[in-house]
Amino acid sequence: DAGVTQSPTHLIKTRGQQVTLRCSPKSGHDTVSWYQQALGQGPQFIFQYYEEEERQRGNFPDRFSGHQFPNYSSELNVNALLLGDSALYLCASSVRDTYGYTFGSGTRLTVV
Amino acid sequence: DQQVKQNSPSLSVQEGRISILNCDYTNSMFDYFLWYKKYPAEGPTFLISISSIKDKNEDGRFTVFLNKSAKHLSLHIVPSQPGDSAVYFCAASDGNEKLTFGTGTRLTIIP
Repeated sequence: DAGVTQSPTHLIKTRGQQVTLRCSPKSGHDTVSWYQQALGQGPQFIFQYYEEEERQRGNFPDRFSGHQFPNYSSELNVNALLLGDSALYLCASSVRDTYGYTFGSGTRLTVV
Repeated sequence: DQQVKQNSPSLSVQEGRISILNCDYTNSMFDYFLWYKKYPAEGPTFLISISSIKDKNEDGRFTVFLNKSAKHLSLHIVPSQPGDSAVYFCAASDGNEKLTFGTGTRLTIIP
């Protein structure tokens, strides 16, 4: 049974560009959450998707947006990239109203 | 505003001894707490959790203690094994499934 799959594994982008990260949740999970982990910090909540809608949002600017598809997979989009957006982006899937998060291995984004 | 704090960035423990990792929080609305373990190049893996209605939860070698009055929780690992070497994150939730993480403690088990 595959866990959470994220792609790509690594990515290098230039300031001002746009990026899309992808996540396939664990089988049986219907909720996807995205976290940003900067170097030396803990993961910070970006937003959560359930039933193709954004249900909760953390303290991130509108440059960060997402989408959930009917098959529960999800995308995270970041526009107008800043150097400070360089981080590990983690996707976590779960069943709605539970804390049974399964995290993916993350996408390492470097903005130059 | 760091609502979940792990004040020890690193900890070294002899194999076979007890490892104690600490976590403090400031938000009194937090009612569910979790510990995650993270190896390099992998996502965090769930270890153990505790609800605010309890003060202790055990799972094998892992025990989590919660002191609500002090807003403090700790993770005890007994006995510590080399495979326990990893970064440990404390996380908390106020009931909406969103997790607030601490900055992590790097645990090194010395053989």
